Amino acid sequence: DVKVTQSSRYLVKRTGEKVFLECVQDMDHENMFWYRQDPGLGLRLIYFSYDVKMKEKGDIPEGYSVSREKKERFSLILESASTNQTSMYLCASRMGGRDTEAFFGQGTRLTVV
Amino acid sequence: AQSVTQLDSQVPVFEEAPVELRCNYSSSVSVYLFWYVQYPNQGLQLLLKYLSGSTLVKGINGFEAEFNKSQTSFHLRKPSVHISDTAEYFCAAVDFGNEKLTFGTGTRLTIIP
Repeated sequence: DVKVTQSSRYLVKRTGEKVFLECVQDMDHENMFWYRQDPGLGLRLIYFSYDVKMKEKGDIPEGYSVSREKKERFSLILESASTNQTSMYLCASRMGGRDTEAFFGQGTRLTVV
Repeated sequence: AQSVTQLDSQVPVFEEAPVELRCNYSSSVSVYLFWYVQYPNQGLQLLLKYLSGSTLVKGINGFEAEFNKSQTSFHLRKPSVHISDTAEYFCAAVDFGNEKLTFGTGTRLTIIP
């Protein structure tokens, strides 16, 4: 079975801190994604990566950056956390190809205080 | 740009009754379409997908969806729901023109015993 693992299930950070959310997949997938999930807004794409060191902005990249130095790991970085970044963050991966299934991690619930 | 609209944010249904969850997409190009389910406190998992061919697609847990190109719809149906179907359901799409997987805002299905 494909496994997508997010490093933390729950995280509490202070305003202004630099925050790292880590995601690791074990199936050699080319594509990886970061979404945030908010009630009534569904999943909104922050960034995605279609290969190592390759990244593209999603629909809401402001305030975020990403890093993909190795194929299995995709990190989301909040440069200076703010309270409006309190949310559920979901990582996903899939094989290269638009028709393939995306596999999701369990999510990280981030609270910024 | 691709957008996905889920017309109902919440759908209550009596147990063993049929259900339809609606999804419309907007695209000037061909798309791949997906339905994902998120059970409470879990990540998303794939229910079914439409790539090409037969417009009626069968998925897991007795769900099916029908692709209608003229109405740009991809509605999800189940003839008889069970308590275990309580979850949030997301419609998603990928344009042929890019790699982005775009989600709708979700429909929360509540089963009434």
